[in-house]
Amino acid sequence: KAGVTQTPRYLIKTRGQQVTLSCSPISGHRSVSWYQQTPGQGLQFLFEYFSETQRNKGNFPGRFSGRQFSNSRSEMNVSTLELGDSALYLCASSPRQATYEQYFGPGTRLTVT
Amino acid sequence: GEDVEQSLFLSVREGDSSVINCTYTDSSSTYLYWYKQEPGAGLQLLTYIFSNMDMKQDQRLTVLLNKKDKHLSLRIADTQTGDSAIYFCAEKQSKIIFGSGTRLSIRP
Repeated sequence: KAGVTQTPRYLIKTRGQQVTLSCSPISGHRSVSWYQQTPGQGLQFLFEYFSETQRNKGNFPGRFSGRQFSNSRSEMNVSTLELGDSALYLCASSPRQATYEQYFGPGTRLTVT
Repeated sequence: GEDVEQSLFLSVREGDSSVINCTYTDSSSTYLYWYKQEPGAGLQLLTYIFSNMDMKQDQRLTVLLNKKDKHLSLRIADTQTGDSAIYFCAEKQSKIIFGSGTRLSIRP
């Protein structure tokens, strides 16, 4: 089976812009979670989607949003980018909701200038 | 609070055992995990332990859980250069909370 894929792998944006990141889970997996990884804050949970519905949400402002499509692919959007949004954004797929069995993609490295 | 704590660095000699320690916060956590992150890569789930267990062994990996002290450890036997990575401890509450990661370096 192909692993979790994330596109793009690298992205440079300017403050104030918005960005959309994409994640394709492992075939057959229905749950997708998003994480932000920074040197200062470490790995922080953003949200989890299952069957096109957001099931769980971390402590991030409303500028961070996401969605999941019927084929389980997920996108996350960050609007009005700030310098502090520079991070590695990781997506993880799971066969079921809220399971220990998570498989991570390689991440999208976002740099905000 | 939600903090999962780990020491930041560990250096071991090739062939020795590595022991990475972690303390977590929520005694009701159902699962505890160890993930490995190599440079430029995402996280790889190494192993997990249910909260009703106190030990789990999987080839070179041994996980020990002390629920009373909320202490989790990962022992890697016969550490190899390929084990160089950052190791994250995580606990599952309503969401998964990660520690800050321990960077394991191997010296010859």
